[in-house]
Amino acid sequence: SAVISQKPSRDICQRGTSLTIQCQVDSQVTMMFWYRQQPGQSLTLIATANQGSEATYESGFVIDKFPISRPNLTFSTLTVSNMSPEDSSIYLCSVQQGRSYNEQFFGPGTRLTVL
Amino acid sequence: AQSVTQLDSHVSVSEGTPVLLRCNYSSSYSPSLFWYVQHPNKGLQLLLKYTSAATLVKGINGFEAEFKKSETSFHLTKPSAHMSDAAEYFCVVSDRGGGGNKLTFGTGTQLKVEL
Repeated sequence: SAVISQKPSRDICQRGTSLTIQCQVDSQVTMMFWYRQQPGQSLTLIATANQGSEATYESGFVIDKFPISRPNLTFSTLTVSNMSPEDSSIYLCSVQQGRSYNEQFFGPGTRLTVL
Repeated sequence: AQSVTQLDSHVSVSEGTPVLLRCNYSSSYSPSLFWYVQHPNKGLQLLLKYTSAATLVKGINGFEAEFKKSETSFHLTKPSAHMSDAAEYFCVVSDRGGGGNKLTFGTGTQLKVEL
């Protein structure tokens, strides 16, 4: 399975600022995903990021708030813009490997606290 | 459309006794089903996956799950719990035939293992 790293692992930010989270994979993958896990909650898909195309956002998530870049097949970034305390969550990236079974492997997550 | 219901938010067992974590799913197509585990302050780890090859699926750390189409269930079991099994467990469904790669997570079951 792919080895996935995320930076930063955690951060504490002030309201109104932005944070960019990086996701690096040790092999080339077509599909990358960004999830949010709010405190005590399950995972919610924010968007799907395919190299060479615009990210596809899920209902309730917009590009102005969560811009995503996917410059190549091993790297992606998620920016959390104009943060508020409600954005305090763990943000995880994942990659799909395997042929048609939609199996995904997850990075360690970025724990964000907004004051 | 796809969805998954984890029937218990918390399960508590004694070390050495069997574990049963219940999951029911809904899927418009042939589903892929997964169980992921999340230990405190750790990333998500894939325990096992069902992809239609066999209805009884064996995973890591002695866990297994049985796909029962007639009951739309995919319960996770382990014959003998160990202290290290204490974690959050997520049942996940993905529609393979729908043309999408989206994973839908259940709300999670917190497993507590007592001496």
